[in-house]
Amino acid sequence: AQSVTQPDIHITVSEGASLELRCNYSYGATPYLFWYVQSPGQGLQLLLKYFSGDTLVQGIKGFEAEFKRSQSSFNLRKPSVHWSDAAEYFCAVGVQEYGNKLVFGAGTILRVKS
Amino acid sequence: DARVTQTPRHKVTEMGQEVTMRCQPILGHNTVFWYRQTMMQGLELLAYFRNRAPLDDSGMPKDRFSAEMPDATLATLKIQPSEPRDSAVYFCASGLGGNRDEQFFGPGTRLTVL
Repeated sequence: AQSVTQPDIHITVSEGASLELRCNYSYGATPYLFWYVQSPGQGLQLLLKYFSGDTLVQGIKGFEAEFKRSQSSFNLRKPSVHWSDAAEYFCAVGVQEYGNKLVFGAGTILRVKS
Repeated sequence: DARVTQTPRHKVTEMGQEVTMRCQPILGHNTVFWYRQTMMQGLELLAYFRNRAPLDDSGMPKDRFSAEMPDATLATLKIQPSEPRDSAVYFCASGLGGNRDEQFFGPGTRLTVL
């Protein structure tokens, strides 16, 4: 069955430091992968997505993610974190047999310290 | 600025009462999803519709939950009777229905059942 693992429940980084959030997926076919962000009290907003081609994808707000098939990973990165990046981040895999049904990871809460 | 709207944003009710949550998908989107978010379970897909027809409601407790799309501009999620364990944030999302299409999330309905 399809699954997504985000091994870090919480991560704290200093403002200006680099960030990497981990995501591992389990899926038999070529995955469609997404990263969403949820600010407190808000819905989820898409940061970026990967379907095929270049394994390094750029998203909004200065985020990028790299797809590594050999590691079944799709880690999210940002070179310099801003205080406004504090939020919860969700990795998801699209289940192709059911259109764009998404399976989400448990999420990683990012705290930014000044 | 097209967005998914949900009403009410907050609902407090007593156990045994009926709860109806509403969602207006983005105009032109043919796929609607209902999710539930809790601390313990994270984001769970309850049901989803394509062209107003239910495609999958396997994530939804059938005895008390029901989801419908009376028309293309309205999706409803009903709980009858409600129980304290139903307390959660319920999100609606809409999309174009393709494997590569993102889901656009509404702001959620925070439900508290006393």
